Amino acid sequence: SQQGEEDPQALSIQEGENATMNCSYKTSINNLQWYRQNSGRGLVHLILIRSNEREKHSGRLRVTLDTSKKSSSLLITASRAADTASYFCAVDGGATNKLIFGTGTLLAVQP
Amino acid sequence: EPEVTQTPSHQVTQMGQEVILRCVPISNHLYFYWYRQILGQKVEFLVSFYNNEISEKSEIFDDQFSVERPDGSNFTLKIRSTKLEDSAMYFCASSERQEGKLFFGSGTQLSVL
Repeated sequence: SQQGEEDPQALSIQEGENATMNCSYKTSINNLQWYRQNSGRGLVHLILIRSNEREKHSGRLRVTLDTSKKSSSLLITASRAADTASYFCAVDGGATNKLIFGTGTLLAVQP
Repeated sequence: EPEVTQTPSHQVTQMGQEVILRCVPISNHLYFYWYRQILGQKVEFLVSFYNNEISEKSEIFDDQFSVERPDGSNFTLKIRSTKLEDSAMYFCASSERQEGKLFFGSGTQLSVL
């Protein structure tokens, strides 16, 4: 399976702190994406990083990709209570027309 | 901002009954997907659809499942004879291009009793 696996499964931090979530996958990819899900809602796309990119920024988000280690990390800087959600990585594996999602990290930001 | 809409938001059905979950993807998108999520756990791929045919399907997407784009705007998922284990949140998604980002609907919570 090319499914991503996130760690940690759950993370609790104080507002203002940084949150780092990691994702590992098993096969070669074209790109890796991160999504956010608020409880009981649909997933919202955050950022896409291509296999030939190593780092990407979007606002308070920073994503890194290490294809040699088949891993990615999502860093949220200066977290806010509103960042409380589940975060999923998803991999697009070559010729397939699908994204395979990881197990997710539940982030709780305490005010 | 354009969005993917799904109806109904909740569906309760008896085991063995047929259900149809409906989705209206974003109008200029060409790729369509169904995913499901059981009890806030992992998001599982069911099927992808492009050019009026299934591109790929998972092991979950057995003969009880079918998808259709009947009129150029709606995208439906039918489960012919529901089982208890089909209870889940079903998400529709669309994208403008292959390998692009997915836009998800808010989901249909299916409860099979």
